Amino acid sequence: GAGVSQSPSNKVTEKGKDVELRCDPISGHTALYWYRQSLGQGLEFLIYFQGNSAPDKSGLPSDRFSAERTGGSVSTLTIQRTQQEDSAVYLCASSLGATAEAFFGQGTRLTVV
Amino acid sequence: QQQVKQSPQSLIVQKGGISIINCAYENTAFDYFPWYQQFPGKGPALLIAIRPDVSEKKEGRFTISFNKSAKQFSLHIMDSQPGDSATYFCAAYTGRRALTFGSGTRLQVQP
Repeated sequence: GAGVSQSPSNKVTEKGKDVELRCDPISGHTALYWYRQSLGQGLEFLIYFQGNSAPDKSGLPSDRFSAERTGGSVSTLTIQRTQQEDSAVYLCASSLGATAEAFFGQGTRLTVV
Repeated sequence: QQQVKQSPQSLIVQKGGISIINCAYENTAFDYFPWYQQFPGKGPALLIAIRPDVSEKKEGRFTISFNKSAKQFSLHIMDSQPGDSATYFCAAYTGRRALTFGSGTRLQVQP
C-alpha cells in the first residue's frame, strides 16, 4: 500500500474484553512503532520493532499489553482485559530504519465502555 | 533522560505573524530532531527535521533553530496561515530507541 494502514479505524469494546489492533507498515520498512494518544494529549511510546532485533517493550504500560510483528511486516497490538483508561487513539508508524522519516497511520480509536 | 520538554502547550497567532515553539532535551545521545504536524483525526506527519551538526534548517516558511550547547531546539513558522492551525510535536531520536515526542503544542492561527 501507499502508506501505513491501521485497522479497525474505530473500536468500541466492553470493559474486560480483549482487543487486537492491526498495523500494516509501508513495504520494506524495517522499523515499526506503536504509540498511544489520549484525547488532546501527546504521544506515549508503547513498543518499537527494529529489524530482527529484540523489540523495545519499555513503554508498555502493563502486562495486559503485548505486541508482535510477524515476518518483519504486519504487527498486532493486543490489549487483554481492557479497562476504561485504555481508551485512546493507538497510532502505528514505520520507517526505513534509524533516523529515517517515520510515517504514521491514521490510528485506531479505541473506546472501552 | 529520555524526556523532551515542549512549550507552550497552546499558541494563538494572528495571520501573518510568527509562531515559535520550543523544545529542550537532556539526553546528549539524541542525534535526530524532527518536528511533526498533526491535524484533527489524522496521524502526525513529518514537517521538518534537523541533525545536531547544523544550527538552522529552513524549508519554506518553516525553520528549525538548534542550540546544541543549550540542548534546545525550536520551530519557527513565518507568515503563519490559518491552514497551519494544527498540533505540533517535537521529537528526538537516538537510533537505539523509538522517537521520543514532546507533549505537543496546539497552534491556532486567527484570520
